[in-house]
Amino acid sequence: DGGITQSPKYLFRKEGQNVTLSCEQNLNHDAMYWYRQDPGQGLRLIYYSQIVNDFQKGDIAEGYSVSREKKESFPLTVTSAQKNPTAFYLCASLDGRSWGYTFGSGTRLTVV
Amino acid sequence: GIQVEQSPPDLILQEGANSTLRCNFSDSVNNLQWFHQNPWGQLINLFYIPSGTKQNGRLSATTVATERYSLLYISSSQTTDSGVYFCAGGTGNQFYFGTGTSLTVIP
Repeated sequence: DGGITQSPKYLFRKEGQNVTLSCEQNLNHDAMYWYRQDPGQGLRLIYYSQIVNDFQKGDIAEGYSVSREKKESFPLTVTSAQKNPTAFYLCASLDGRSWGYTFGSGTRLTVV
Repeated sequence: GIQVEQSPPDLILQEGANSTLRCNFSDSVNNLQWFHQNPWGQLINLFYIPSGTKQNGRLSATTVATERYSLLYISSSQTTDSGVYFCAGGTGNQFYFGTGTSLTVIP
């Protein structure tokens, strides 16, 4: 079955550490996205990529970095510069024909 | 960016009741979607509906693009409908999300 796989499901980070969240899709979608969700809030866009080797900052890109070396993969690194990284992170891809979003099951990141 | 306002923020229904959720946009959008987030965080796409009306079982959605709003109708609600409903809209490939309507359906 086609879909998006995010890993890990839960992640604990110590202060000052960088961590990388994985997002893999086998849907052959060109566009991929990273969103952050805080409790009781909507989704806020961190970064998006419309094509391999290209990505754009979203509304809250500070303290995050991404890469898009392969169509299937769009990893997100939460750097030590992100002051409040505890949140639920969602990866998505967009079908350019139907305009339907497919989301992964998310990664819950907690700073300890 | 585009501001997205959803109402009501919270809704509690008895099983079998109907409801209407609303989404207003601060600017024109040419892409609009509705999503359901289950209690475990998984987001499912319900409708892609930049204009007009669509129906899927007990759910239907209507978007009036010229007035920058969209409505999601849930009929004969079931406990499995519980969760948070989000709308998202934008232009091109970038979508802006509302803060959601949290729906609880009680037996």
